[in-house]
Parts: sequence; structure tokens; C-alpha cells
Amino acid sequence: DAKTTQPPSMDCAEGRAANLPCNHSTISGNEYVYWYRQIHSQGPQYIIHGLKNNETNEMASLIITEDRKSSTLILPHATLRDTAVYYCIAGGSSNTGKLIFGQGTTLQVKP
Amino acid sequence: DTAVSQTPKYLVTQMGNDKSIKCEQNLGHDTMYWYKQDSKKFLKIMFSYNNKELIINETVPNRFSPKSPDKAHLNLHINSLELGDSAVYFCASSLGRGREGRKTQYFGPGTRLLVL
Repeated sequence: DAKTTQPPSMDCAEGRAANLPCNHSTISGNEYVYWYRQIHSQGPQYIIHGLKNNETNEMASLIITEDRKSSTLILPHATLRDTAVYYCIAGGSSNTGKLIFGQGTTLQVKP
Repeated sequence: DTAVSQTPKYLVTQMGNDKSIKCEQNLGHDTMYWYKQDSKKFLKIMFSYNNKELIINETVPNRFSPKSPDKAHLNLHINSLELGDSAVYFCASSLGRGREGRKTQYFGPGTRLLVL
């Protein structure tokens, strides 16, 4: 699985869009980009994933650059409950389901 | 209607004891996982079972033994507990539809283990 790089922390004002970047410059052609988050003391929560095209669901949007070397998770209207550690994971080259979590980005949504 | 449940939520025990953590999922998934999150918040996979067959076995001491009686359950038994085993243990499950599906995992609330 490709290595990912994320900023350690970010702040966002409540009600504004939160844009969380992730670099995965060594991602291979068949590896997906997955985003999870972990709200304090809870289990990680799946958010979204994509391969090449931009994806949107009820939680977030995922924008993947054309060269697939980076991506951005967008929370369109951040709330205080979105304060969490966000993990970007590049993987899927194997069939085992092994997720490799890095340090992630701690997003603090402020009132 | 809990999707992935774990028991117990908290476990405080003495060094040298043997303990088990149970995990159950009602999502109809066929792959289940155990992860460990240490005090520095690093989350690392330990084991994975698909249809009761072990498919991931990371470098984990032999004192840890997973058991999957059926697709909906994956238990973790730990022998001779050590201080360094103190951590939060998360169970997860996924529908094993190849590479993409397996990485879309649903996590339980965690079991906080403290070894004294």
C-alpha cells in the first residue's frame, strides 16, 4: 500500500467547508484512496473512498487529482461534531483488507 | 440495532491473567478484524478472518489467539497478560467483495484494556 502524507492538524470554523489534503505520490494504478475518521474515544468510521473519479456521499466529497498523487476530503458544512482525527489511506493492491493507519489530521472545528 | 458490538467495553485485570474479548456483527459481513490502538493512538491491524479462515496474522505475540466460531463472531483471547497489552482493541468487519469491499470496514466501539 502506498504511503500517505497528511498535515498533523487543521482548524475550521463551524459552518464553513473543511478541506483536508492528502498526498499519495507513490499510489499505484489499482489502489483506492480511503478516508476514515475517529471521533474521540470512538471506533474509526468509514467516510468515503475513490479510485479515479471524484466521489460524493451524504458525509463528504472526495476530490482526486488527475495524476492521482493527491486528494482532498471536503466536509461541506463542518459542525462541532466533525472534530476528529481524519485518516487518508491508499490501498487495495492486496485482497486482504489490511488498512494501514498513519497519524492522520486532527481537525478542530471551532464555533 | 448495533452493527458491530464488543464486550466488555472496559477490562481491568492483573498481569499474568487470561482474558477474552468478544465481537459480534449483524451486518451480514464475511470478514472480521482485530486492531490495537496504543497509548500514542497508533492504530494497527492484528488479525483478520474471512469466512472463519485466518487471512491476516501480523507480528503479534503467540499469547494472542483469535477464534471465529462463525462469520458473525470473532473473539480475541489473550494469555498471560502483560503491562504492554494495555490498549484499546477494536473489532471491525467488511463485506469481502474483493479489494475494494474489504477496505470498507465498520468498526466496533472498542474495548479498553488496562493491565495492572
